[in-house]
Amino acid sequence: EPEVTQTPSHQVTQMGQEVILRCVPISNHLYFYWYRQILGQKVEFLVSFYNNEISEKSEIFDDQFSVERPDGSNFTLKIRSTKLEDSAMYFCASRGRESQETQYFGPGTRLLVL
Amino acid sequence: SQQGEEDPQALSIQEGENATMNCSYKTSINNLQWYRQNSGRGLVHLILIRSNEREKHSGRLRVTLDTSKKSSSLLITASRAADTASYFCATVRLSNDMRFGAGTRLTVKP
Repeated sequence: EPEVTQTPSHQVTQMGQEVILRCVPISNHLYFYWYRQILGQKVEFLVSFYNNEISEKSEIFDDQFSVERPDGSNFTLKIRSTKLEDSAMYFCASRGRESQETQYFGPGTRLLVL
Repeated sequence: SQQGEEDPQALSIQEGENATMNCSYKTSINNLQWYRQNSGRGLVHLILIRSNEREKHSGRLRVTLDTSKKSSSLLITASRAADTASYFCATVRLSNDMRFGAGTRLTVKP
């Protein structure tokens, strides 16, 4: 069964460093998403991406965040200058064309900012 | 905010009992979905119910949706220890972005 994959599974970085989290969505999906979950808290929507542009973003997704689909298969989330409070699990998700379809989530990347 | 809010926050039951979790939301939705998350792991999709549906079943899961009350419930029948996890409802608006609730932490004691 096709699945969303994410790399790395864990990343430790120093405050102020840039990180890139990578996702490979399911191949025929058209809509892509990033979410984050701070330890012990709920899953928070960050951004949705369709047709090579951001379709919606939350108030969390400020100028330090950016997303890209560089090569037609990968979908990346870049955090330019990490802060301690960026430590969280980051989930990528994708879905197909129909609005009633399920979003399929990747296993997540656990980011720790020291 | 259109985020789902689940109650109870935590639920502890014995194996074999039924578990009911509720979710309320605030704005119009396209559909509502329930997810499961084992501790520190990813999200597993359980069931999707459309805004024009009132009830849906999948195995031991039963989901209801009342759009007039802006609420949904997830019933797990004949619970097993392996059902221990956090359960989240997520609402999807017409714009297709998804918002999660805070979740219910279910513990099923063997």
